[in-house]
Amino acid sequence: DTEVTQTPKHLVMGMTNKKSLKCEQHMGHRAMYWYKQKAKKPPELMFVYSYEKLSINESVPSRFSPECPNSSLLNLHLHALQPEDSALYLCASAPYTGELFFGEGSRLTVL
Amino acid sequence: GDSVTQMEGPVTLSEEAFLTINCTYTATGYPSLFWYVQYPGEGLQLLLKATKADDKGSNKGFEATYRKETTSFHLEKGSVQVSDSAVYFCAGGGRGSTLGRLYFGRGTQLTVWP
Repeated sequence: DTEVTQTPKHLVMGMTNKKSLKCEQHMGHRAMYWYKQKAKKPPELMFVYSYEKLSINESVPSRFSPECPNSSLLNLHLHALQPEDSALYLCASAPYTGELFFGEGSRLTVL
Repeated sequence: GDSVTQMEGPVTLSEEAFLTINCTYTATGYPSLFWYVQYPGEGLQLLLKATKADDKGSNKGFEATYRKETTSFHLEKGSVQVSDSAVYFCAGGGRGSTLGRLYFGRGTQLTVWP
């Protein structure tokens, strides 16, 4: 199993809504990541979890709240987002060798 | 800091043409190097990788060699197909204390016409 599974694939939310993005991997990787990707741009790192602990937060606004319930799951809780937060949100995991395995992404639209 | 410089696109080729997408890196050490491909509406897929100098990564007819002397990792394919149309990202990093912090190039859009 070499997959990273993300749900939902598409999400539309208003600026006052609370929603969550979910990510799951069963490759035994101990590092998991959230990236944000705008159209025609490279992915931008948001958060890194290593052994279920938050190790990197790239100065992401608090309206994005990550959570790692266990070594296979990663969530991104969304609250009071802005239209400019509309983007493709990518989850990834990595073994010790460092290459990232990405999910298909969750395309978020904030109205 | 570490960075990856990737040739600007878009690149448009006819089927069976030769492809080169240039990538150079700047780093304090010798990072692992990767090429990722992103098809429309999808996430990034690892295409190939190299972890040390002179390593050659290859996959699906694509190749790239880690050249320490020129700090380069150019992507090549001898005969492209319409199905290769996608955005290609060069990336570096990924080990030790920087585990998972990959530095991505800006991406190169490839379009292959039949």
